[in-house]
Amino acid sequence: DAKTTQPTSMDCAEGRAANLPCNHSTISGNEYVYWYRQIHSQGPQYIIHGLKNNETNEMASLIITEDRKSSTLILPHATLRDTAVYYCIVRPRGSNYQLIWGAGTKLIIKP
Amino acid sequence: DARVTQTPRHKVTEMGQEVTMRCQPILGHNTVFWYRQTMMQGLELLAYFRNRAPLDDSGMPKDRFSAEMPDATLATLKIQPSEPRDSAVYFCASGLVPGELAKNIQYFGAGTRLSVL
Repeated sequence: DAKTTQPTSMDCAEGRAANLPCNHSTISGNEYVYWYRQIHSQGPQYIIHGLKNNETNEMASLIITEDRKSSTLILPHATLRDTAVYYCIVRPRGSNYQLIWGAGTKLIIKP
Repeated sequence: DARVTQTPRHKVTEMGQEVTMRCQPILGHNTVFWYRQTMMQGLELLAYFRNRAPLDDSGMPKDRFSAEMPDATLATLKIQPSEPRDSAVYFCASGLVPGELAKNIQYFGAGTRLSVL
């Protein structure tokens, strides 16, 4: 499975857009990009995923570059409750549902 | 609001004691995962089940850990005997195949924080 690289930590002001980058330069054609987050003392929570097209749901937007070597998770109007560790995961399509978790990005939303 | 329920939320025990952690997956979900999270190793998959049958437990120390699904509403993870190095947060997650799990959407419980003294 392709590896991902994320910044260790980031800050964002409340009400602004939080843009979390992820590098996955070794991604192959059948590998999806997933984003989960983990709020302190809670279990991880699914946010969004995509293959090559940009995706948007009620929580966030996912922008994947044309060469698919990197992606950005966008939280359009960050709130204090968005403070969490955000995990970018790349894994191939298939029947094996295992997720390989990295260290993630600690996002701190400041008032 | 459907959710994965884990009990207990916290457990403190002494080395050598048996520990049992329980998980109630979301009703209707047919796949259950057990994870362990530590500061050093991050989130690691221990085992997972499909329709109550174990599919993969390669991440689990076999000599002291065991995972079962006595029925569709209960999954258990046992450690016997427990050791200080087992101290961690243990998460259970569930999903549905086919369906949302086909998109790798796993629903996590709040975890059991285990401390072995």
